[in-house]
Amino acid sequence: DTAVSQTPKYLVTQMGNDKSIKCEQNLGHDTMYWYKQDSKKFLKIMFSYNNKELIINETVPNRFSPKSPDKAHLNLHINSLELGDSAVYFCASSQGRLGLQLGNTIYFGEGSWLTVV
Amino acid sequence: AQKVTQAQTEISVVEKEDVTLDCVYETRDTTYYLFWYKQPPSGELVFLIRRNSFDEQNEISGRYSWNFQKSTSSFNFTITASQVVDSAVYFCALSEAPLTSGTYKYIFGTGTRLKVLA
Repeated sequence: DTAVSQTPKYLVTQMGNDKSIKCEQNLGHDTMYWYKQDSKKFLKIMFSYNNKELIINETVPNRFSPKSPDKAHLNLHINSLELGDSAVYFCASSQGRLGLQLGNTIYFGEGSWLTVV
Repeated sequence: AQKVTQAQTEISVVEKEDVTLDCVYETRDTTYYLFWYKQPPSGELVFLIRRNSFDEQNEISGRYSWNFQKSTSSFNFTITASQVVDSAVYFCALSEAPLTSGTYKYIFGTGTRLKVLA
């Protein structure tokens, strides 16, 4: 069973289009994330949701809008795609509870390769 | 502010050699977690290890070992007798105590690309 699954895995689209990437986790975690990995492999957090509530929004253009219908899902919608949006987008989740004894390891999906042409 | 530095951009070794990947971190907190992740050529990010700031014991898992030293703010990763399948980008990451509502913020290093040659 896939713990964190995201679709689509590959997406090629034209500039100006709107696209969505979906993510689901079956780990029962409270917190979900979107990370962007650029061509130099640099991983940068974009958003984090805890129990459907937006917790982290890291200076991401307004064209990016996350939506969390429930704590097991966190989708990413991108409007008016630009060439610079080409990257690998990783969804992730973690338990995110207080307490040192509780695990807070972050588990990633397999990534969605977005190419804007 | 948090920061994770992986100064080695790329390392190449010949199979069966030992290799150490360096990770240096900065944090003002006394409570934090450190991680290593592996990203093979197929692209997925695979969790390898988590270490909390109160546990400085080194850890060994098969050919992998980790050396955590708070005195030097380092969390280095050693692969013994490297194999071609170890070829990947390895990321070190830091997470401090929760911001609010129990949400941890993770900071990743820039990664070290390891090439193991047959």
